[in-house]
Amino acid sequence: EVQLVQPGAEVKKPGESLKISCKASGYTFYNYWVAWVRQMPGKGLELMGIVFPADSDTRYTSSFEGHVTISADMSISTAYLQWSSLKASDTAIYYCARNAGGTADYYMDAWGNGTTVIVSS
Amino acid sequence: EIVLTQSPATLSLSPGETATLSCGASRSIPSNFLAWYQQRSGLAPRLLISGASNRATDIPDKFSGSGSGTDFTLTISRVEPEDFAVYYCQQYGRSPITFGQGTRLEIK
Repeated sequence: EVQLVQPGAEVKKPGESLKISCKASGYTFYNYWVAWVRQMPGKGLELMGIVFPADSDTRYTSSFEGHVTISADMSISTAYLQWSSLKASDTAIYYCARNAGGTADYYMDAWGNGTTVIVSS
Repeated sequence: EIVLTQSPATLSLSPGETATLSCGASRSIPSNFLAWYQQRSGLAPRLLISGASNRATDIPDKFSGSGSGTDFTLTISRVEPEDFAVYYCQQYGRSPITFGQGTRLEIK
């Protein structure tokens, strides 16, 4: 069974750094792109970027480029999303998801449980 | 980028009725690369349909997708309590991938 496991919640102050994880199991991790999707409170889904673990090829949606860093560690089947300096506006739920196909642009057939990030002073 | 517009924003139905949700694209979606997701309250999205009309694994046949080009539809037959949720369409035919804003299916 394909599973993507994320930590439940993180509470941080503005200006702090954060790196959240997405641990994959049940499939060959390095063969599939992993996407990160943001959902702000009461809002819809936004693709932030994707990473291909086999060679760390990373693509960002323009509105997120420069604000976050996406990476993956093939040796432990884990993808990451990180911020160097959080803002209150980063408060949201962040989902990782597996791209079903072998290309960067595809649909997502498995989703993590989501990490709630709260940034507040 | 392709903008997806879902309608209606909210659909109020009674259990047993049929739900028809629409997703319109600002440009034609190549190869009908359109997916639908269900998001129940407090949970992660779940893939329902890919390729406009192909049900994902373990999705019952009460969910059906149709359409092509710029107009797509998700139909849910005999709506049950567990079907009341938010539904999103997503196009993956042209980079960047984009999502619709969602349709909330609520109990009337």
